[in-house]
Amino acid sequence: DAKTTQPNSMESNEEEPVHLPCNHSTISGTDYIHWYRQLPSQGPEYVIHGLTSNVNNRMASLAIAEDRKSSTLILHRATLRDAAVYYCILRHGGSQGNLIFGKGTKLSVKP
Amino acid sequence: EPEVTQTPSHQVTQMGQEVILRCVPISNHLYFYWYRQILGQKVEFLVSFYNNEISEKSEIFDDQFSVERPDGSNFTLKIRSTKLEDSAMYFCASLRGAGYEYEAFFGQGTRLTVV
Repeated sequence: DAKTTQPNSMESNEEEPVHLPCNHSTISGTDYIHWYRQLPSQGPEYVIHGLTSNVNNRMASLAIAEDRKSSTLILHRATLRDAAVYYCILRHGGSQGNLIFGKGTKLSVKP
Repeated sequence: EPEVTQTPSHQVTQMGQEVILRCVPISNHLYFYWYRQILGQKVEFLVSFYNNEISEKSEIFDDQFSVERPDGSNFTLKIRSTKLEDSAMYFCASLRGAGYEYEAFFGQGTRLTVV
């Protein structure tokens, strides 16, 4: 699986939008972009995934660059509960293989 | 909402002892995984399991480790002779497959402490 690069940490204020970037310049045409997060003392949790088009779900939005070499996870209104480590992971389409976690971005949310 | 359940939540064992970590994946899922996370480090893949056999394993998953799905519901990870460096959080995960490959569900983890 291709490598991703994320900032080590980011800070946000509660109820403000948060944009978490991810670079994946070596992405292949069949790689999906997945985001997971890990709340303190919990297992990882699926957030969202996409291939080429921007995606929205109840948790977040995923904006994918036209060349697919980068993407941004958008939390529209951060809450204290969104404080977590966010992982951007590339996965071959249709693969049931393991997820390869990097260090992720630790998001802190200030009240 | 369906969830992956892991027991126990915390296990303390003496070095050299055998431990079995237990997981109940989501019932209609087909693919099962074990990951571990040493304190302060990345989540690392250990093994994947499908159709009653190991489909992939990492370098970490050596002869001291084994997995089993004995009764069609439980999925276990056994460490035969624990070492201090096996101390970590162990996460079980499951995946539905069959067009639903995008979302892996993780359990809350078992914290293993080897003393």
